[in-house]
Amino acid sequence: GAGVSQSPRYKVAKRGQDVALRCDPISGHVSLFWYQQALGQGPEFLTYFQNEAQLDKSGLPSDRFFAERPEGSVSTLKIQRTQQEDSAVYLCASSFLNTEAFFGQGTRLTVV
Amino acid sequence: DQQVKQNSPSLSVQEGRISILNCDYTNSMFDYFLWYKKYPAEGPTFLISISSIKDKNEDGRFTVFLNKSAKHLSLHIVPSQPGDSAVYFCAANAGGTSYGKLTFGQGTILTVHP
Repeated sequence: GAGVSQSPRYKVAKRGQDVALRCDPISGHVSLFWYQQALGQGPEFLTYFQNEAQLDKSGLPSDRFFAERPEGSVSTLKIQRTQQEDSAVYLCASSFLNTEAFFGQGTRLTVV
Repeated sequence: DQQVKQNSPSLSVQEGRISILNCDYTNSMFDYFLWYKKYPAEGPTFLISISSIKDKNEDGRFTVFLNKSAKHLSLHIVPSQPGDSAVYFCAANAGGTSYGKLTFGQGTILTVHP
């Protein structure tokens, strides 16, 4: 596709359940970012990949959050033992090196 | 600690008039600033950017002004159109990091009335 694709668009998880969110970046984009956006707030940086290397994970809120990009293309954000405070929209973005990032539509996670 | 602040949660303007959205930042390491526009149920879309070596950047109806001494930037939309109605996010990037690692403000909801 032409843009950043995220799946699923919506996810409802029971508290304590593990979830996996997928991001397909724009073809050829070296850089990939994950953001978390709480209701009424701006996106907050979680982690950054350059190809398959995770260069920055300073924004991951706890060790329950884990991201990978094993082949330098598709990325997965995994949240273990979900909590209610994990409810948010998770945005993925991709870019060439040192260019503006293009965002996907996001995955809305609701933990009940 | 909110390093990028958009103090106006909402702004309402008449079609054809100017819209001015404001943003303040506190981190002196920020040297590249961007504005993103977001429609409901969509991801943010890049609108315009400015480097700290400039004080103005213009792209069609959109102009961004940067006042480094005041740590303030603004986005001007002239003339405003109903299709501009969206949430606008100011974002900042610190030198030496990828342009995609951004610190966002809380957003301003712009409504342009016909």
